[in-house]
Amino acid sequence: NAGVTQTPKFQVLKTGQSMTLQCAQDMNHEYMSWYRQDPGMGLRLIHYSVGAGITDQGEVPNGYNVSRSTTEDFPLRLLSAAPSQTSVYFCASSLGTGQETQYFGPGTRLLVL
Amino acid sequence: GQQVMQIPQYQHVQEGEDFTTYCNSSTTLSNIQWYKQRPGGHPVFLIQLVKSGEVKKQKRLTFQFGEAKKNSSLHITATQTTDVGTYFCAGPENTDKLIFGTGTRLQVFP
Repeated sequence: NAGVTQTPKFQVLKTGQSMTLQCAQDMNHEYMSWYRQDPGMGLRLIHYSVGAGITDQGEVPNGYNVSRSTTEDFPLRLLSAAPSQTSVYFCASSLGTGQETQYFGPGTRLLVL
Repeated sequence: GQQVMQIPQYQHVQEGEDFTTYCNSSTTLSNIQWYKQRPGGHPVFLIQLVKSGEVKKQKRLTFQFGEAKKNSSLHITATQTTDVGTYFCAGPENTDKLIFGTGTRLQVFP
């Protein structure tokens, strides 16, 4: 049981490039979410999903897209990276809702030049 | 939308001293969760409080949920170097959104 996995661990992008951050969980959790962590800002919710085929926006969704085609996977797409998107990105999952215990992945550190 | 603030932002203590972080929400919460993130790591769930005025203890850690369910605190007695990290509170805005506080980073000097 690997829990929540994220790839890559670290990525450097140039402004304007696109990329997908991968997130997968093997706990059969319905709820999955993406957070970004910046110094002094805590963890801010980007997008979340309450089940396969259902996604919605969080606090800071601009510049990011998500999809949830399976229960296990919840990729985060940056369509045109900007330096303001330099951050550490965490994927999390919980059994049913956003009110329950969140299990976090190890994170992806992204640097946009 | 809902805002969750924590104070202080940073705290440096000598090993053996006590530590407290405070969490304040702009709205009434159905529950409050606390997480710990070690340096270079990811947030790990510590505890959830649900009832007004609830107090829970985990060894040297004491968690309180305010009577109005808009604030919470985490108190660590006699800190150890293993307590180093950032402590986050988090409250649900609704059933789908869990909003995290800004975090308190604790440094413990031996």
